[in-house]
Amino acid sequence: AQSVTQPDIHITVSEGASLELRCNYSYGATPYLFWYVQSPGQGLQLLLKYFSGDTLVQGIKGFEAEFKRSQSSFNLRKPSVHWSDAAEYFCAVGGYGGSQGNLIFGKGTKLSVKP
Amino acid sequence: AAGVIQSPRHLIKEKRETATLKCYPIPRHDTVYWYQQGPGQDPQFLISFYEKMQSDKGSIPDRFSAQQFSDYHSELNMSSLELGDSALYFCASSLLAGGTGELFFGEGSRLTVL
Repeated sequence: AQSVTQPDIHITVSEGASLELRCNYSYGATPYLFWYVQSPGQGLQLLLKYFSGDTLVQGIKGFEAEFKRSQSSFNLRKPSVHWSDAAEYFCAVGGYGGSQGNLIFGKGTKLSVKP
Repeated sequence: AAGVIQSPRHLIKEKRETATLKCYPIPRHDTVYWYQQGPGQDPQFLISFYEKMQSDKGSIPDRFSAQQFSDYHSELNMSSLELGDSALYFCASSLLAGGTGELFFGEGSRLTVL
């Protein structure tokens, strides 16, 4: 069965420090992979996505992610975190049943940023 | 740019009551998805519609039903509400035919069942 694992429930980093959020997936075929960000009480905003091609994808707000098929991973990175990046981050996989919209989400990683 | 509109934003109901949530997709989008996010949980896919026809079904309880209307807006109807139905309900829309299929989420409708 398809699944997404985000091993870190909560991460705290200092402002200006680099960030890496981990995501591992289990999927029978080439997946569509996504990272979403959710601020408290808000909707989900797409940061970036991977469908095919270049395994390093660039997203909004200075985020990037790298698809590593051999490790079944799609980790999110940012070289320098800003206080406004504090939010919850969800990794998701889509594409089962032929529809990329039926997403399976990980449990999320809450990011706190220290001044 | 127009976004996905959900109403109401907040709703409080008693157990065993019914509730209806509405979703207005981005203009010209042909697909609507409903997700449920319980407190501290990840969003769970409920159901989707493509061109007004149900296209896929996830973990939607039998007490819930949904439809997409001729103007492409969608409604999620929930009956015999239970305490466990308290959640944030997201609607998302996308353009599949001729588009990227990327999902755009609304800000959600928060349902509280007392």
